[in-house]
Amino acid sequence: GQQLNQSPQSMFIQEGEDVSMNCTSSSIFNTWLWYKQDPGEGPVLLIALYKAGELTSNGRLTAQFGITRKDSFLNISASIPSDVGIYFCAGDSGGGADGLTFGKGTHLIIQP
Amino acid sequence: DAGITQSPRHKVTETGTPVTLRCHQTENHRYMYWYRQDPGHGLRLIHYSYGVKDTDKGEVSDGYSVSRSKTEDFLLTLESATSSQTSVYFCAIRRDRGSGNTIYFGEGSWLTVV
Repeated sequence: GQQLNQSPQSMFIQEGEDVSMNCTSSSIFNTWLWYKQDPGEGPVLLIALYKAGELTSNGRLTAQFGITRKDSFLNISASIPSDVGIYFCAGDSGGGADGLTFGKGTHLIIQP
Repeated sequence: DAGITQSPRHKVTETGTPVTLRCHQTENHRYMYWYRQDPGHGLRLIHYSYGVKDTDKGEVSDGYSVSRSKTEDFLLTLESATSSQTSVYFCAIRRDRGSGNTIYFGEGSWLTVV
């Protein structure tokens, strides 16, 4: 089946630093999605990307859909304490029925 | 708010007992999904539905069954719970955002099988 490689697995940063994480796939996706999950809650959609090459921002978050359609990155600028959590990338083949293929997550930890 | 309600949110049950988790949506979406989330495995698709009485298997469907008798409700049943089914279960719906559609998740159901 399809697999997503998400890296890094975890990041230890200081408040105010910029963060970058990425996902790569062996298969092409029609949509790339980025979610954030806080402890005890479900994944919350941050950014959705629908076209190859698309660059989309949501506040301090910026994500891009790779030209090859096999990769995506998420950047967070000027991190703040509430950015702590697990970030997941997900690829959608667009068939509706198949759901999403998820990366295993990047655990973001902000050191005081 | 994706209009998804999962119940129960937390449950402890004994091995061998049947368990049903309910997902309720308020927005009349066609596609609904059940995922489980486990350390080291991330989120994996169990079953999905593409309409009333239309369901199909996902990646990890063994030991699970689903039913969808109404558009708004998608039930996940563990016929005879095992310890390996201790997990967090998330329901999700697919929603059209205009530029494309995407999947939104419920808040999760924590199941412990002892």
